[in-house]
Parts: sequence; C-alpha cells; structure tokens
Amino acid sequence: ETGVTQSPTHLIKTRGQQVTLRCSSQSGHNTVSWYQQALGQGPQFIFQYYREEENGRGNFPPRFSGLQFPNYSSELNVNALELDDSALYLCASSSRTSWTEQYFGPGTRLTVT
Amino acid sequence: GENVEQHPSTLSVQEGDSAVIKCTYSDSASNYFPWYKQELGKGPQLIIDIRSNVGEKKDQRIAVTLNKTAKHFSLHITETQPEDSAVYFCAPCGTSYGKLTFGQGTILTVHP
Repeated sequence: ETGVTQSPTHLIKTRGQQVTLRCSSQSGHNTVSWYQQALGQGPQFIFQYYREEENGRGNFPPRFSGLQFPNYSSELNVNALELDDSALYLCASSSRTSWTEQYFGPGTRLTVT
Repeated sequence: GENVEQHPSTLSVQEGDSAVIKCTYSDSASNYFPWYKQELGKGPQLIIDIRSNVGEKKDQRIAVTLNKTAKHFSLHITETQPEDSAVYFCAPCGTSYGKLTFGQGTILTVHP
C-alpha cells in the first residue's frame, strides 16, 4: 500500500509570487484535504476535494485554490504570497466511506521571504 | 466554529510511566475524535480514534476515552517508551465532510 506523498519537500518563494504544491493520495483513497501548519501550532483546514470538486473550505482567502485530478492526486495553489503564508502544508487522503479518517503526507515546507 | 483545547501543553514522564492528555471541544455536533502523533519533520500520524457511539477504545498501550456529555476526550499511553516522545494532537470533527479541527498540541517527552 502506497502512502500519501507530497512534492516538493521544501520551497522558498518571494512575497507576491505564486506557488503550486502537489499531493498524491494513498492507494484506494479518493478524497484529499489540505491543511496549513504554522510553526508551533496545530494544522488548520484549508479545503477538501472529492470527485474533482471542492467539498468543504476553511477560513482561507480565495488566493488559496486547489485542483483534484481523475487519478485523485491534488494541487494546492497560492497566489500573491504573503510572509504569513510561511508554513508546513500538509495533504491528507481519505476514502469516500470515511472522510474523517485522514492519513497525512510528510508535508511541504514553504518559506516566503 | 469549533474551539479545541488540549491540556497539558507539555508533559514529561519517566520511561514506564503512564501519560494522559485531555482534549476539550465546543461543538456538540462533533462525532469523530482522533488523536495524531507528529514527530519532528514528519506529518501527523493517526494513532487512535473513536466515534461518538463508543465510550472507550484500546489498542495495545494506547487508549482513548470519550465523555460526550462533558465534551472532552482523553489519550492514555501506558508503559511509555522513549520513542513515544513527540507532539500529540487531538482533532475532533463535527462536519459531514471531514474537517478536522486540531488542538494546539501536547509535547510529550519520555525520559529513559
């Protein structure tokens, strides 16, 4: 069984730029959720994708957007990067029968300078 | 929205002792109660979970207990080992689509 994978591992961007992060879900899982984890804090829910559509969203501005592909992999896009966007971005996959039981990838560390 | 609080924020125990972390939540609609373990440089790992129709669940050295009336659930680790040292998060869920609301985390240190 293949676990959740994310790329890249680390990324450094400049304020105002745009970034795309990628996630491959665990085999057999068709739902992907994205979380932002600031240093020293718990992860915060950004949004969830199921059947290539946004299935729920947290309190994040529209410059955070996502995509899900037919193979269930997903992308997180962030436009107009701000310094406060520096964080660990986590992807979690789950199955249609249990959206709540979520398995996380290792994350992408984004630094905005 | 859901408010989640974990206590204590740090916990230091000797190897072999027990550790208990408590999570209090506010949303009475919450019906799924997981605990995650996060080691340095890694993503959170689901270690145990419980649903609202069950009061207690055990898996070897770890257990979770739920008190829905009082809106809290707890993680119990017995016979702690140094490899249990990590940050532990509770993340109750009260939405139909599976939004987890994480607590601030508890840093557990197990001294050999």
